[in-house]
Amino acid sequence: EVQLVQSGAEVKKPGESLKISCKGSGYSFTSYWIGWVRQMPGKGLEWMGIIYPGDSDTRYSPSFQGQVTISADKSISTAYLQWSSLKASDTAMYYCASNPRRGYNPSILAFDIWGQGTMVTVSS
Amino acid sequence: DIQMTQSPSSLSASVGDRVTITCQASQDISNYLNWYQQKPGKAPKLLIYDASNLETGVPSRFSGSGSGTDFTFTISSLQPEDIATYYCQQYAPWVTFGPGTKVDIK
Repeated sequence: EVQLVQSGAEVKKPGESLKISCKGSGYSFTSYWIGWVRQMPGKGLEWMGIIYPGDSDTRYSPSFQGQVTISADKSISTAYLQWSSLKASDTAMYYCASNPRRGYNPSILAFDIWGQGTMVTVSS
Repeated sequence: DIQMTQSPSSLSASVGDRVTITCQASQDISNYLNWYQQKPGKAPKLLIYDASNLETGVPSRFSGSGSGTDFTFTISSLQPEDIATYYCQQYAPWVTFGPGTKVDIK
């Protein structure tokens, strides 16, 4: 089955660091982009950035540049999103998404598979 | 950065009604425009890619059109299971989502 499975919910304090994960299976992980999307409680979808695991080419939304780090370990088909110092405003659901059903057109950034989401709560 | 606007922000319609949502890009994005459905507590689901292509397995009552800066998403006959928030998303070349349109049953 083609799927993305994310790590579990996290509760952290302001100033703490965090790394959440997204493991792909059932498709060629290195051949398709993986994006990260934030959804704050009751709000819309915000694109954070994207990585191509094949060569680790990474692009960030200007809103998130310098705030988070996106990485991938292709040997274990896993992408990561990390923070060095969390803030209360980072409280949100975070989704990873990829486009393996675009077949021979991985440049079509239509996200056809999504992880189940990781809820991150930052509170003192 | 390309900005996306959607209208309306919310709507209520009756079962069987035709529902139309518009999405506008701040600059020409050709047909690099996708539409998603998100139900409460769930991850988004891709419905339409490249402005007008129906994703495999998606009911044919969903359709999309447009190019350049102006795009339209249509549900030809609203069903109770279509209650959700709908988002447009551009990728010319990188990604921006629209603010979403919440669809309810009247």
